[in-house]
Amino acid sequence: EPEVTQTPSHQVTQMGQEVILRCVPISNHLYFYWYRQILGQKVEFLVSFYNNEISEKSEIFDDQFSVERPDGSNFTLKIRSTKLEDSAMYFCASKSGGATDTQYFGPGTRLTVL
Amino acid sequence: GENVEQHPSTLSVQEGDSAVIKCTYSDSASNYFPWYKQELGKGPQLIIDIRSNVGEKKDQRIAVTLNKTAKHFSLHITETQPEDSAVYFCAALRGAQKLVFGQGTRLTINP
Repeated sequence: EPEVTQTPSHQVTQMGQEVILRCVPISNHLYFYWYRQILGQKVEFLVSFYNNEISEKSEIFDDQFSVERPDGSNFTLKIRSTKLEDSAMYFCASKSGGATDTQYFGPGTRLTVL
Repeated sequence: GENVEQHPSTLSVQEGDSAVIKCTYSDSASNYFPWYKQELGKGPQLIIDIRSNVGEKKDQRIAVTLNKTAKHFSLHITETQPEDSAVYFCAALRGAQKLVFGQGTRLTINP
């Protein structure tokens, strides 16, 4: 069964450094997402991406964040200058087409900012 | 914006008994309600979903009910097994893209 994959599984970085989290969505999917989950809290929407542009973003997704689909398979989340409060699990998700189609989640990247 | 409230935050049941988790939502325009199961160290996995044009959906031991008038939906797990132990999240689709999640329920099945 096709699945969303994410790398790395765990990223440790120093405050102020840039990080790039990588995702390979399911191959025939058209919509891509990033969510985050701070330890012990609910999953929160960050951004959705379709047709090579952001379709929606949350208030969390400020100028420090950017997303890119650099080729036909990868989808990346960049945090330009990490802060302590960026420490969280970051989940990539993808879906095939319609609004109520299922969003399939990857296993997540645990980001630790020291 | 959409707000999803989920209860209880923790639930402990005996193996073989039923478990019920409830969610309420605020945006009457929401029309899609998935339930995800999250095991330790893994991403959320869809277990069942319901669209607003139906009131109930069942898949083996799992069922979801939706009351659009009251804006609440519930997950029912019957004949619980130890492998059902996990954190369960409800969610509501706001607009066409954004899933708004509940706070999660940690379900423990006692043998």
